[in-house]
Amino acid sequence: ETGVTQTPRHLVMGMTNKKSLKCEQHLGHNAMYWYKQSAKKPLELMFVYNFKEQTENNSVPSRFSPECPNSSHLFLHLHTLQPEDSALYLCASSPLMNTEAFFGQGTRLTVV
Amino acid sequence: DQQVKQNSPSLSVQEGRISILNCDYTNSMFDYFLWYKKYPAEGPTFLISISSIKDKNEDGRFTVFLNKSAKHLSLHIVPSQPGDSAVYFCAAGQYNFNKFYFGSGTKLNVKP
Repeated sequence: ETGVTQTPRHLVMGMTNKKSLKCEQHLGHNAMYWYKQSAKKPLELMFVYNFKEQTENNSVPSRFSPECPNSSHLFLHLHTLQPEDSALYLCASSPLMNTEAFFGQGTRLTVV
Repeated sequence: DQQVKQNSPSLSVQEGRISILNCDYTNSMFDYFLWYKKYPAEGPTFLISISSIKDKNEDGRFTVFLNKSAKHLSLHIVPSQPGDSAVYFCAAGQYNFNKFYFGSGTKLNVKP
């Protein structure tokens, strides 16, 4: 248990669906991140929020839309995804940017 | 183009022996390096880090070595234990920026 909780753990969605991934941290951290882990590929940073402000959008398609309503919660809204978006989506937080990150268990997303 | 590479997708070691996991990076501006361990169905957990002002950092059975001229770092686990069996990711970046690049991971299997 790292203090970072992601829900749901597994998600299957159709290409026309809209769904959201949720991340919550109770560690008092100020930075939160979304990463994508595809099979046999490195972890890819998607978004960074620092003190609720988005500071990084790593060329992520607009069908992925992040939201950070407060420093404890982070959402990733999904719509009209493609099968190649199927992956493990990991949320992480850190006390400050560029300090060691604590990861959630991830959401295994399958787009059909 | 991958800026951090772990060229060995897997490694098998006998219990009690040394495990050496390697990582190479291409960007000479990187000055902070981290190792994460990941068990199946869990998010990565932080293991150990090193900054470019040092060439070695030790924490119990885990030691990270940094060779800046070769742009190479390695993680040594001595003695290896079956519970160390996991996927190990290295990450590198610039401490003053908000982005770390991850390798694709090395799956370590420690045989009893």
